[in-house]
Amino acid sequence: GNSVTQMEGPVTLSEEAFLTINCTYTATGYPSLFWYVQYPGEGLQLLLKATKADDKGSNKGFEATYRKETTSFHLEKGSVQVSDSAVYFCALRLNGDKLVFGAGTILRVKS
Amino acid sequence: DTAVSQTPKYLVTQMGNDKSIKCEQNLGHDTMYWYKQDSKKFLKIMFSYNNKELIINETVPNRFSPKSPDKAHLNLHINSLELGDSAVYFCASSSPGTGNTGELFFGEGSRLTVL
Repeated sequence: GNSVTQMEGPVTLSEEAFLTINCTYTATGYPSLFWYVQYPGEGLQLLLKATKADDKGSNKGFEATYRKETTSFHLEKGSVQVSDSAVYFCALRLNGDKLVFGAGTILRVKS
Repeated sequence: DTAVSQTPKYLVTQMGNDKSIKCEQNLGHDTMYWYKQDSKKFLKIMFSYNNKELIINETVPNRFSPKSPDKAHLNLHINSLELGDSAVYFCASSSPGTGNTGELFFGEGSRLTVL
């Protein structure tokens, strides 16, 4: 079946550090890929997405590139802020079907 | 103006009780979902409705019954609550005709605690 695997957290970084959260997927086809973010006490909101191979999604300084050859969609940010502390979810969607989420990665940024 | 709204935000109840969570979206979307998030933040889809018709029904106990009176509303009723039902329940919606590319819009969640 279709699934998403992302790195376990929590990830703890100092402000201005470089962030990478790894995400790989398994799918019987060519899915769209998403990163959602959940700030404390809130619902999920879309951070960025990519709909085909080699597409790069970007938003708020975050980036992720759809790599078909490695079935990956790693999230990166050059310089994190305390306000980036949240739970980050990698997800895929195939054939207009449900969104399948990874387990989520907690990010904590210290000042 | 809230796009996807859920009520109540918090619900504390005793084992064996019956409770409902309501969801409304004002985005004009045709498809709505219920997701369950456990204490480890893992998100699992429970149900999906498209234009009031059930299209996804994952392996969920029969005690959970979704109801969609119209395409803007999707409610979740839970009978005979158990301790393991404690979780945050998220409602979401997505627009039609977007295939794989459409994003889901989530409500703020309803935290259910069963004592």
